[in-house]
Amino acid sequence: GDSVTQMEGPVTLSEEAFLTINCTYTATGYPSLFWYVQYPGEGLQLLLKATKADDKGSNKGFEATYRKETTSFHLEKGSVQVSDSAVYFCALDTGTASKLTFGTGTRLQVTL
Amino acid sequence: EADIYQTPRYLVIGTGKKITLECSQTMGHDKMYWYQQDPGMELHLIHYSYGVNSTEKGDLSSESTVSRIRTEHFPLTLESARPSHTSQYLCASSGNHRGLHYGYTFGSGTRLTVV
Repeated sequence: GDSVTQMEGPVTLSEEAFLTINCTYTATGYPSLFWYVQYPGEGLQLLLKATKADDKGSNKGFEATYRKETTSFHLEKGSVQVSDSAVYFCALDTGTASKLTFGTGTRLQVTL
Repeated sequence: EADIYQTPRYLVIGTGKKITLECSQTMGHDKMYWYQQDPGMELHLIHYSYGVNSTEKGDLSSESTVSRIRTEHFPLTLESARPSHTSQYLCASSGNHRGLHYGYTFGSGTRLTVV
């Protein structure tokens, strides 16, 4: 079945550091890939997405590239801020079941 | 700009009480979902619906029930709450546009504590 594997957290970085959160997937079809962010006490918000191989999703300084050859969708940001502290979820959808498959989430803490 | 609303945001109730968590969306989405989120952050799908009068159980067994009488409304009910039901409950909806899947839109969640 479909699955998503994320790097375990927590990830602790100093402000302005470079961020990478790894995400790899297993899927039978050609999935769409997503990154969601959850701020404390809130629901999940869509951060970015990519619907086909080599697509790059980007938003708020975050980027992720759909790599079919390595089945990966790693999240990156060049310079994190304290306000980026949150939990990040990688997810996929193959469109066959209309249900997203989520990773287990990675907590990011950014300090001054 | 939230288009999906969950009420209440926080709820503390006693064991044995019946409760209904409300979820409404104004986007006309056919598909709606309920997730339970444990303190370790992981999301567990407990119920979903692909349209009016359609409901299915999710991947995680739950003692809750749902109904979908109107497109915009997808309430979740616990007939007799127990401390093990203490969790955050997240509602989401999904619609397709031109054949591409645009992911879910989530509500802000209901944090339930059963004492």
